[in-house]
Amino acid sequence: EIVLTQSPGTLSLSPGERATLSCRASQSVSSNYLAWYQQKPGQAPRLLIYGASSRATGIPDRFSGSGSGTDFTLTISRLEPEDFVMYYCQQYGNSPLTFGGGTKVEIK
Amino acid sequence: QVQLQESGPGLVKPSETLSLTCTVSGSFINNYYWSWIRQPPGKGLEWIGYIYYSGSTNYNPSLKSRVTISVDSSKNQFSLKLNSVTAADTAVYYCTRGSGWYAYWGQGTLVTVSS
Repeated sequence: EIVLTQSPGTLSLSPGERATLSCRASQSVSSNYLAWYQQKPGQAPRLLIYGASSRATGIPDRFSGSGSGTDFTLTISRLEPEDFVMYYCQQYGNSPLTFGGGTKVEIK
Repeated sequence: QVQLQESGPGLVKPSETLSLTCTVSGSFINNYYWSWIRQPPGKGLEWIGYIYYSGSTNYNPSLKSRVTISVDSSKNQFSLKLNSVTAADTAVYYCTRGSGWYAYWGQGTLVTVSS
């Protein structure tokens, strides 16, 4: 099973700042099959990125994904007030599919 | 647009079977994979498994001995059964479309395991 470790656990930033979220895999993720989700309290996760760097439909271009192998990054170029929520990475290259423990982006 | 809606009991007794159904609208069950994912209160996400419309399945090994996912194309629904539940199975259960990344999710339903 591939273990995904997200860091930091909590990221304290101000609106307008750049956020960099990390997701590290315990072994190489096949074909860079890595997705990122945003989850607001009481809601289902929302797909942001798939294939490590492809933005999902309707996702603003301030969200971008990068990385390969075992190291992946989600970047939010300029934080909007609605971006201060929880983010998860997920790998789907190997079964079982696994999720990281999440990064909470909070207002500083 | 594609919509998924979970339904089933919100309270299940320990050792009994948790049963949930996901009703799909805006998309035919055929030609897609359908998955279940859960999230214990205040915790992260756990993939339970998926089913192809033809009936082939893939389950998380951590739950495989207790899980059954099935599909009913005539009703455009798929279902989850988890037997021998304990308090550790208390979670919000989501149904989703796909077998890799998930763009379509139900709103989730909280299932509490308690006597």
